[in-house]
Amino acid sequence: EAGVAQSPRYKIIEKRQSVAFWCNPISGHATLYWYQQILGQGPKLLIQFQNNGVVDDSQLPKDRFSAERLKGVDSTLKIQPAKLEDSAVYLCASSLQTGGPETQYFGPGTRLLVL
Amino acid sequence: GEDVEQSLFLSVREGDSSVINCTYTDSSSTYLYWYKQEPGAGLQLLTYIFSNMDMKQDQRLTVLLNKKDKHLSLRIADTQTGDSAIYFCAEEGNNRLAFGKGNQVVVIP
Repeated sequence: EAGVAQSPRYKIIEKRQSVAFWCNPISGHATLYWYQQILGQGPKLLIQFQNNGVVDDSQLPKDRFSAERLKGVDSTLKIQPAKLEDSAVYLCASSLQTGGPETQYFGPGTRLLVL
Repeated sequence: GEDVEQSLFLSVREGDSSVINCTYTDSSSTYLYWYKQEPGAGLQLLTYIFSNMDMKQDQRLTVLLNKKDKHLSLRIADTQTGDSAIYFCAEEGNNRLAFGKGNQVVVIP
C-alpha cells in the first residue's frame, strides 16, 4: 500500500512570495490533515478535512494560508505571502476516520525555508 | 486546554532500556499516543493507550499512564540503534491531536 505522498520535498523562497504544497493521501482515507512543524517543536494542526469539507481550521492563519481538497482526495496548502516565521516542515497526514484511536499516517513532509 | 510537555534529549547505550516522559493537561483525552520521527521523515505511530488503562505492553514498548498526575511514559527495552529518533507524545482533545515538543533519543553502539 502506498503511503502519503507530498511534493515538493524542499522549497526555498523569499519573503512575500507565494508557495503551494501538494498532498496525496492513502487511498480510501477520508480524513486529511495539514500540520506545521517548526524546528525543535512538535507538529501543530493547521487544518483538517473530512472528505472535501473542513472539520477544523481554527489554527490556520487565514490571512495568508489557504487549503483546499476539492474532490475529497488530493489537497493543496498555499501560503501567500510568505513570512520568515513560516519556515518549517509542512506535514500531511491521513486517516480512515476521525475519533480514536487516531491512527494518522504521515507523509515525509515539505521543508520550507523563507529567506 | 492542550499543553504537552516533554524533556528534550536522552542518550542511551545499545541494549539498555530508555524511558521517555511526558506530561499533559487535558484530562478529558480518551487516548494518548506515542509517535516516532526519524530524520527527514514524517511521524510514525508507535503505540497508544486508552485513558482508563494504566499500562500497556507491546513487544519492547511499555507505556505507563498516571492519570492523577497527567504523566505518560514510554519505556523501550533492549534499545537498538534503529530506535534513534525523536519521540513525540500526543493527547487527543477537541477532536485534534496536540503534540509535545519531542524527545530526541540517541543510541550509542
